[in-house]
Amino acid sequence: DAGITQSPRHKVTETGTPVTLRCHQTENHRYMYWYRQDPGHGLRLIHYSYGVKDTDKGEVSDGYSVSRSKTEDFLLTLESATSSQTSVYFCAISEVSGTGTLEAFFGQGTRLTVV
Amino acid sequence: AQKVTQAQTEISVVEKEDVTLDCVYETRDTTYYLFWYKQPPSGELVFLIRRNSFDEQNEISGRYSWNFQKSTSSFNFTITASQVVDSAVYFCALSELTGGGNKLTFGTGTQLKVEL
Repeated sequence: DAGITQSPRHKVTETGTPVTLRCHQTENHRYMYWYRQDPGHGLRLIHYSYGVKDTDKGEVSDGYSVSRSKTEDFLLTLESATSSQTSVYFCAISEVSGTGTLEAFFGQGTRLTVV
Repeated sequence: AQKVTQAQTEISVVEKEDVTLDCVYETRDTTYYLFWYKQPPSGELVFLIRRNSFDEQNEISGRYSWNFQKSTSSFNFTITASQVVDSAVYFCALSELTGGGNKLTFGTGTQLKVEL
């Protein structure tokens, strides 16, 4: 599992409230990603990070912000949650190994419901 | 822009049947990786295989096999002698290696149901 832990695993929140999801990794990977999974869409990239304090937008970044103040943690924040952000969120790491092989592993997912 | 198409939304088979899940991709990159992931009902994403664009050899792992054809931009996945435990959603994904590490573009997934 590449040492990836997401928290919380499940959350129900009200519309308009801020929500922060945490992704923690233990193997010093440089690149970290947040995806959301929705029926009919597969997984779509929200934001990604290529180092401490280095982040960039993905395909569906509107309404989300991220922060990475240390290598092991990548936080995803919904500043004001909306029902359209009800989804399953996955954190991922991706790295080219020492043998030149690309590896990509995912956390267990966080199911977020906005009511 | 990269794109992955999994045209089969849902497939139902009877146990022991062989089943092939299709994946067609689009990319302008000459170097890329293709992945298959399995998502069982429990929800986690399980890595199955990774293939780079320079290696067109087919691969077999137990009952699983993969057919990569650059000429048709396809990376199909076959399960031989399917079992109920194979029931899951299967995702094909394509990596973009330019900047930002290795961002993945996913297909919409194929729900496989294996019945007794």
